Amino acid sequence: GENVEQHPSTLSVQEGDSAVIKCTYSDSASNYFPWYKQELGKRPQLIIDIRSNVGEKKDQRIAVTLNKTAKHFSLHITETQPEDSAVYFCAAGNMDTGRRALTFGSGTRLQVQP
Amino acid sequence: NAGVTQTPKFRVLKTGQSMTLLCAQDMNHEYMYWYRQDPGMGLRLIHYSVGEGTTAKGEVPDGYNVSRLKKQNFLLGLESAAPSQTSVYFCASSSPGRDRASEQYFGPGTRLTVT
Repeated sequence: GENVEQHPSTLSVQEGDSAVIKCTYSDSASNYFPWYKQELGKRPQLIIDIRSNVGEKKDQRIAVTLNKTAKHFSLHITETQPEDSAVYFCAAGNMDTGRRALTFGSGTRLQVQP
Repeated sequence: NAGVTQTPKFRVLKTGQSMTLLCAQDMNHEYMYWYRQDPGMGLRLIHYSVGEGTTAKGEVPDGYNVSRLKKQNFLLGLESAAPSQTSVYFCASSSPGRDRASEQYFGPGTRLTVT
């Protein structure tokens, strides 16, 4: 099955700096790579996703890059703000199978210091 | 439009007791999932369903059973709770199709403690 590794487990940045979180996956059949943000005590919420036919996707201050050959993808947050503080999860899955299940990374706790 | 809801929000069980967690969605989604979230381990898939009347095992199915008798509901059962099942349980749903339709929508979670 799929295995997703996520680094770092914790990340502390100053407000206004950039933050980068990296994930690797093992199953070359995976074609969908979402990122979820989870605030303390809340449910995970999708912030950005990318499919395998695209190398990069951007939405305001967040961007995701995908390297299919190396099987890794990254989340980039620019101009970080205190409200970006949360746990971020990457995930990978194959949306062309009946299962359409996601395998999640172990999470990165991002702390943005004001 | 409530999205995905879960009941109960919190529960404390003694070892050996049974309970059922209910997930409901009003988005007419075909796919529904149950995950457990433990510190430092992300979300792990317990069971999932690709449509009414169907269920299948995920990564960590042992000790759990599920049923999907109605399209909008997905039930997770613990027949004989164990302390190792102390966790936060999340339900999610999604619709078939590509692109944004792949998004999984999560419920608010159920915090279960087994003593």
